[in-house]
Amino acid sequence: GESVGLHLPTLSVQEGDNSIINCAYSNSASDYFIWYKQESGKGPQFIIDIRSNMDKRQGQRVTVLLNKTVKHLSLQIAATQPGDSAVYFCAENKGGSQGNLIFGKGTKLSVKP
Amino acid sequence: KAGVTQTPRYLIKTRGQQVTLSCSPISGHRSVSWYQQTPGQGLQFLFEYFSETQRNKGNFPGRFSGRQFSNSRSEMNVSTLELGDSALYLCASSIGTDSPLHFGNGTRLTVT
Repeated sequence: GESVGLHLPTLSVQEGDNSIINCAYSNSASDYFIWYKQESGKGPQFIIDIRSNMDKRQGQRVTVLLNKTVKHLSLQIAATQPGDSAVYFCAENKGGSQGNLIFGKGTKLSVKP
Repeated sequence: KAGVTQTPRYLIKTRGQQVTLSCSPISGHRSVSWYQQTPGQGLQFLFEYFSETQRNKGNFPGRFSGRQFSNSRSEMNVSTLELGDSALYLCASSIGTDSPLHFGNGTRLTVT
């Protein structure tokens, strides 16, 4: 069936380094992709999104890359800070309803001072 | 602008009881979705409401129900609680169906 998966369940980086969190998706009909950050005790927080007509989108210290050929999504965080420590989820949607939004299992990012 | 507000934050119930959770979306957001989050299953979609109508429903038993009011506020109800219903229940609102969801901090339900 359809699934959104993450290559690594945990990622540990040094403060100040760049982080890359990867995500594979399987539904070629998905045309909208979102990254969320979830800190302990809080709900997921929207970080950045990208539509299938784009390959790259940049935000503040974050960049999302979409490779439709291999159905791969990545989130790059520049100059990672301790406050970036959280679980990161990718999600894909083929449109029409939020019910079609599928979340990955998440990657836990730990930032070492 | 205030974010999504969920009440209560924590609930402890016993098996067989029922529970009602409340969600106030971001002002201007007409779409409200509910998710169940557990360590084993991750985020699972429960339902989506738009303009008081249930637009979509996830693969959960009929014990799980919801509704949306004319002011876009939403409630979900779980009847005949089971131990496996223990989870974080998240509400999210969005402007439309193809716009990003904005989540509240959830209601932590523990069933004993």
